[in-house]
Amino acid sequence: ILNVEQSPQSLHVQEGDSTNFTCSFPSSNFYALHWYRWETAKSPEALFVMTLNGDEKKKGRISATLNTKEGYSYLYIKGSQPEDSATYLCAFRGGGADGLTFGKGTHLIIQP
Amino acid sequence: EPEVTQTPSHQVTQMGQEVILRCVPISNHLYFYWYRQILGQKVEFLVSFYNNEISEKSEIFDDQFSVERPDGSNFTLKIRSTKLEDSAMYFCASTIGQGAYSNQPQHFGDGTRLSIL
Repeated sequence: ILNVEQSPQSLHVQEGDSTNFTCSFPSSNFYALHWYRWETAKSPEALFVMTLNGDEKKKGRISATLNTKEGYSYLYIKGSQPEDSATYLCAFRGGGADGLTFGKGTHLIIQP
Repeated sequence: EPEVTQTPSHQVTQMGQEVILRCVPISNHLYFYWYRQILGQKVEFLVSFYNNEISEKSEIFDDQFSVERPDGSNFTLKIRSTKLEDSAMYFCASTIGQGAYSNQPQHFGDGTRLSIL
């Protein structure tokens, strides 16, 4: 059973502050690490797919880093806005696998 | 932007009945998936489908489940004899390819909430 863990489970952040959270995953048989942003009653929205150790990806105010040797990825949000409120999911894909193994998500609430 | 569409958004079914969940993947995508999320738990992989056959399935995907691509656009998940524990949100996803396209995301639909009574 693959273990993908995210922390914290939930996070309250003041508007304008920056924040980050963690995804840990198996360091062996790594193929890709996916990040999704999921708002209630909508479909999970793909943010990043990360494949190489040391990868750093950016989309607007959101960025992510990847360390496959130690099995973790960080998601950073700079200058949080109310529209950033959502659940952020990471998902691990192992070599030879089609399916993604998800973490439970970090529920982010931005307070005005 | 093209999207994955799922119908119905909510399905209520009596225990023991068959249910079919429908999905229309993005038109040029080749790999299709079903996932589910039981309330309060993680999203779980059920099955992947490529070239008109199952490519991978999880332990959850037992004999009561089946998938089909009946025409060029629809992708369905059938649960033959539903149980109470099948109550969950079911998500369909698609991606353009795998292998050389390993950096491509899986695009998800809005989900079908299945409630078994």
